[in-house]
Amino acid sequence: DAMVIQNPRYQVTQFGKPVTLSCSQTLNHNVMYWYQQKSSQAPKLLFHYYDKDFNNEADTPDNFQSRRPNTSFCFLDIRSPGLGDAAMYLCATSKNPARGRKSSYEQYFGPGTRLTVT
Amino acid sequence: ELKVEQNPLFLSMQEGKNYTIYCNYSTTSDRLYWYRQDPGKSLESLFVLLSNGAVKQEGRLMASLDTKARLSTLHITAAVHDLSATYFCAVVGSYNTDKLIFGTGTRLQVFP
Repeated sequence: DAMVIQNPRYQVTQFGKPVTLSCSQTLNHNVMYWYQQKSSQAPKLLFHYYDKDFNNEADTPDNFQSRRPNTSFCFLDIRSPGLGDAAMYLCATSKNPARGRKSSYEQYFGPGTRLTVT
Repeated sequence: ELKVEQNPLFLSMQEGKNYTIYCNYSTTSDRLYWYRQDPGKSLESLFVLLSNGAVKQEGRLMASLDTKARLSTLHITAAVHDLSATYFCAVVGSYNTDKLIFGTGTRLQVFP
């Protein structure tokens, strides 16, 4: 079945120790998103890729970076995790064939990675 | 800036009862999604509403969209315990392509 896969599902890292979360998809979608969801809050978009073009949200801290080496994979790098970065990180994908125009396809979410910072 | 509000934030209801969750948004949009989230889990898509007057139903849940009022509702009929979860609405702003703005979420608890 086509799907969005995230690894690892649970990640524990130490304060200040870089960590990388990965997302892969078999849907062949051209848009990939990273969301941060803290406890009892709504998901918040960090950034997204439209094809290879990176789009950062204005309020995303510089501590968060992303890479998309190919259509199927996208990585979230947290350079120096702080206690406040503990959250669920959700990857999502969608298909948007015409840039600048609204997609008629919804976003499909992966299972998430729960990040703990000690 | 597009803002999305849900109410109530928390809903405790008895099995068999009916209730409605409301989702209001601040600027024009004709694209609204409802998601369900179980504790510690990811988001599960429930409904995609793409036009004014759209109504969709799945089991005990029915969602509608009124773009003129900038309002969507999620109606629960004869609630059962399995519906206990957090429900989010999310809106795509007309000036954006795919960016989703999520509502605050409604935590639903159904008790016997």
